[in-house]
Amino acid sequence: DQQVKQNSPSLSVQEGRISILNCDYTNSMFDYFLWYKKYPAEGPTFLISISSIKDKNEDGRFTVFLNKSAKHLSLHIVPSQPGDSAVYFCAASRSGGSNYKLTFGKGTLLTVNP
Amino acid sequence: NAGVMQNPRHLVRRRGQEARLRCSPMKGHSHVYWYRQLPEEGLKFMVYLQKENIIDESGMPKERFSAEFPKEGPSILRIQQVVRGDSAAYFCASSPPPGTGLSYEQYFGPGTRLTVT
Repeated sequence: DQQVKQNSPSLSVQEGRISILNCDYTNSMFDYFLWYKKYPAEGPTFLISISSIKDKNEDGRFTVFLNKSAKHLSLHIVPSQPGDSAVYFCAASRSGGSNYKLTFGKGTLLTVNP
Repeated sequence: NAGVMQNPRHLVRRRGQEARLRCSPMKGHSHVYWYRQLPEEGLKFMVYLQKENIIDESGMPKERFSAEFPKEGPSILRIQQVVRGDSAAYFCASSPPPGTGLSYEQYFGPGTRLTVT
């Protein structure tokens, strides 16, 4: 049972345009969400996160939107740059304790074309 | 400013041998998580440890896998009698202690790529 789903295995956008990566979750106990970026042969790099008490968090070119009723979040990158080409993972966590293990989606490969 | 360190980066083992993967968390971090990534999959949680204490090992296979985080030294993920299905990338992540307001954010090492021949 996959609790975090990224239904688009890949996405291709033109440099300068907006990239929108989507993520759905099924477990209503998740209340903290994170996006990670991963290059081949490297570990995931933390990008941005959002708590369930918010519906938007922005950091530079990256914005994450959370729709709790739809159990859906998205990552917007604008403007997209060729260096953004990587696999993006959505992850979710539960608070209410001290164990913040992450549940990951399968990832979306973003390709930004010059 | 050292991030999360993992070694070795690549490990080749024959079926039946033992694999030992090491992880040193970021300075100031006392919590370590291990994840495994199979080909074409996302990362899957394996185990969560604090110093000298296993907090959650619900993601660990019941047999052949063990983990520790001693008072001194790195965290170690040990796989005994490896099989081909153990071939994967193993990532370690560390986080600040709970209560710091930042403990949700985990920082990952570069991973160990285990190949079982």
